[in-house]
Amino acid sequence: DVKVTQSSRYLVKRTGEKVFLECVQDMDHENMFWYRQDPGLGLRLIYFSYDVKMKEKGDIPEGYSVSREKKERFSLILESASTNQTSMYLCASSFGWGSNQPQHFGDGTRLSIL
Amino acid sequence: DAKTTQPTSMDCAEGRAANLPCNHSTISGNEYVYWYRQIHSQGPQYIIHGLKNNETNEMASLIITEDRKSSTLILPHATLRDTAVYYCIAWGGNKLTFGTGTQLKVEL
Repeated sequence: DVKVTQSSRYLVKRTGEKVFLECVQDMDHENMFWYRQDPGLGLRLIYFSYDVKMKEKGDIPEGYSVSREKKERFSLILESASTNQTSMYLCASSFGWGSNQPQHFGDGTRLSIL
Repeated sequence: DAKTTQPTSMDCAEGRAANLPCNHSTISGNEYVYWYRQIHSQGPQYIIHGLKNNETNEMASLIITEDRKSSTLILPHATLRDTAVYYCIAWGGNKLTFGTGTQLKVEL
């Protein structure tokens, strides 16, 4: 089974802090994704990566950056956390591109910025 | 990606089959039908996907009509742990989005 592991289930940080969210997948997947999920807004793509050290902006990259130094690990960084970044953050991975390649999600990190 | 329509909620007795319908009348030829579910406060879980043929795995079966305008996800023996929001997606490989889904409640 595919396993996508996010480092924290719940996290509370303060405004202005630099926040790191970590994600690891164990299936040698090429692609990794970071989403946030908010009530009424659904799933929104922040960044994705199709290879080590490669990254592409999604729909809402402002205020975020990412790092992929190893194939299995994809980190999301909130450079200076703000209250509007309080959300559920979801990491996903997939083997390849195309509509026949399902994305597999981690359990999510519920982040609260105070 | 094509719009999908699902009932807002459904109930099912434990041990019975849960049949969750989905309409995707504008689906295009390269779009697969995907099903995910999300249990409260957890990440979405991939269940199954298919293009034309019916598919079955250890979790569920997917029945797609011949014209591909609708599909049904079947959980053969629902348990309380299957209580979740189920999302049907017609996905062409671009942006992955979830609609409002069907809240399935499995009861004793």
